[in-house]
Amino acid sequence: EVQLLESGGGLVQPGGSLRLSCEASGFTFSSFAMSWVRQAPGKGLEWVSVISGSGASTAYADSVKGRFTVSRDPSSKTMYLQMNSLRGDDTAVYYCAKDWGMAAAGSVLDVWGQGTTVTVS
Amino acid sequence: DIQMTQSPSSLSASVGDRVTITCRASQDISNYLNWYQQKPGKAPKLLIYDASHLQTGVPSRFSGSGSGTDFTFTINSLQPEDIATYYCQQYDNVPITFGQGTRLDIK
Repeated sequence: EVQLLESGGGLVQPGGSLRLSCEASGFTFSSFAMSWVRQAPGKGLEWVSVISGSGASTAYADSVKGRFTVSRDPSSKTMYLQMNSLRGDDTAVYYCAKDWGMAAAGSVLDVWGQGTTVTVS
Repeated sequence: DIQMTQSPSSLSASVGDRVTITCRASQDISNYLNWYQQKPGKAPKLLIYDASHLQTGVPSRFSGSGSGTDFTFTINSLQPEDIATYYCQQYDNVPITFGQGTRLDIK
């Protein structure tokens, strides 16, 4: 069964840092791009970042560019999101999602994790 | 960035009704359009990809159509378990963008 499990969320002060993890199982991890998507309380979905299957290419939403860094470790089948200089408007549930394709372009997000909550206050 | 506009923002319908949600893109996105269902407190779930293709395991009462800038999502014979918020999402360009969501309630 294909599964994604996020962890690392929590309460952090403005200006602080946090690293989220997304552990994958049930599929060939390096063959698929992976994305982070967030949802602020009571709001809609906002794409945050994508990393290619190889890890060589990444892309970011303008709202997080220069503050967030996405990476992946094929040996542990884990994707990470390093979040620095956190602000109140980064407060959200953060989901990781598996992409259908391999490129860092974002396409069809066919499997989602359960989400991890980040509160900046 | 490509803007995705869904309508309506919310709607109420009765069990057995046919429900239609529209999604309009700010520019031509061909058929690079997906639909997701999000139930309260849960992660989104892919229902329709490439505008009209039903994801494996999704009931056939869900369907999608459209291309270019105008798209439609339909639920035939609404069921109680369909209470959720529905989102369209384009992937013609980075950043991928979502519609603002349509909240569906049962009357």
